[in-house]
This record gives sequence, C-alpha cells and structure tokens, in this order.
Amino acid sequence: DTGVSQDPRHKITKRGQNVTFRCDPISEHNRLYWYRQTLGQGPEFLTYFQNEAQLEKSRLLSDRFSAERPKGSFSTLEIQRTEQGDSAMYLCASSRDRVFGNTIYFGEGSWLTVV
Amino acid sequence: GENVEQHPSTLSVQEGDSAVIKCTYSDSASNYFPWYKQELGKGPQLIIDIRSNVGEKKDQRIAVTLNKTAKHFSLHITETQPEDSAVYFCAVPFLNTGTASKLTFGTGTRLQVTL
Repeated sequence: DTGVSQDPRHKITKRGQNVTFRCDPISEHNRLYWYRQTLGQGPEFLTYFQNEAQLEKSRLLSDRFSAERPKGSFSTLEIQRTEQGDSAMYLCASSRDRVFGNTIYFGEGSWLTVV
Repeated sequence: GENVEQHPSTLSVQEGDSAVIKCTYSDSASNYFPWYKQELGKGPQLIIDIRSNVGEKKDQRIAVTLNKTAKHFSLHITETQPEDSAVYFCAVPFLNTGTASKLTFGTGTRLQVTL
C-alpha cells in the first residue's frame, strides 16, 4: 500500500492555459474522488468514479473541468482555459466500495496557481 | 445539502493538556464520521473514524465520541504534543443523494500546542 499519489505537486500556469493533474489511487481501491481545497477552507467534493464510471459531478465542476479514469486505475483532471479563481489545491482520494467500508484516503494534493 | 458545523475554529492548548473539537451535522441518515489532520502543504490524513453502531472509539491519545440523537461527534486528543499542531477537519458522508462516500467537510480547527 503506497498511498494515493498525485502529480504534479505544484503547477503555476498563465490564465487561459490548460493544465492536467494525474492521480494514482491505492491499489485495489475501486472508488476515486477529486476534491478542491482553497486556503482556510475544508475540501469540497468535485467528482467521483466507481471503477471507470464517473458517477457524480458537483455543480462546482464547470464545463472547463473534465475528469477521466479510462481503465479504472489512474485518473486525470484537466482544467481548460484556466482562470485565477481556479487557484486551489486539487486533492485526489480513493476508497474501496461500501461492502468493505468507505474509509477515504487522500493524496498530498496538487497545488495550482493561475497567474 | 449536508450542513456540517465545526467548533472552535482555533484552539490553543499547552503541551500535555487535552483538546476537544466538536462537529454537528444535519443528515440523520449519516452513519460514518471520520476526522482528518492536515499539516501545512499536505493532504488530509485520516486519524480516526467511527461508525454509527458505536458511541466511542479510542486509538492511543485520540478518541472520537458520537451522539447520534443530538447529531454531533467530537474529537478528543489527550496529552497533547507539539506535533499535534495542525488543522483538524471533521467530515460527514452526504447520503441523501445516495452517494454514501461523498464527504462534506467542516470548516476546520487550527490546533496550536504550545510548550
């Protein structure tokens, strides 16, 4: 169990550029989540996958955001045409399904700064 | 949506004293209550969780108590140490949409343990 891995850890981009974050969940975890956290706030849910199926998206996830988990293992979160308001830490998390309990483990996050 | 209130927002204790953080929630169907510790620049780390079939759970210096009737649960840290200094978040699964694993987080408590 190597934990949830996220890459890159830090990204600085100019407004209008596209960025992509990658998440590798804990092996054998079939659920994968993306959250966003801004300074001084708790994490906010963005979206979640059960295997390769994206089952829920928050209203926070605008059309500029897209997440994929093509083979039910790693996931990517892409932000197109970044805006300064997108600056935040993007957290990935994973868990096993409800049969085994829904304990959710977070990665170290990917910091995004849009300048 | 799920409403989670966390108090206090900041807490300063002397090394060796106890710290208590409380969370109240609104969804009576919630059945899982984790606490996360977040250090500066890192992702949230699960420190303890409790399920609704028990009223208290302990793990060394950390304990969580749950009052389902009153819809609140608390984190207790005894014999605090400087390395306990961090931001602590409670979280509650948002069940009324059927997504049992989506967590709503409290606003966080910044704990400072002074020497």
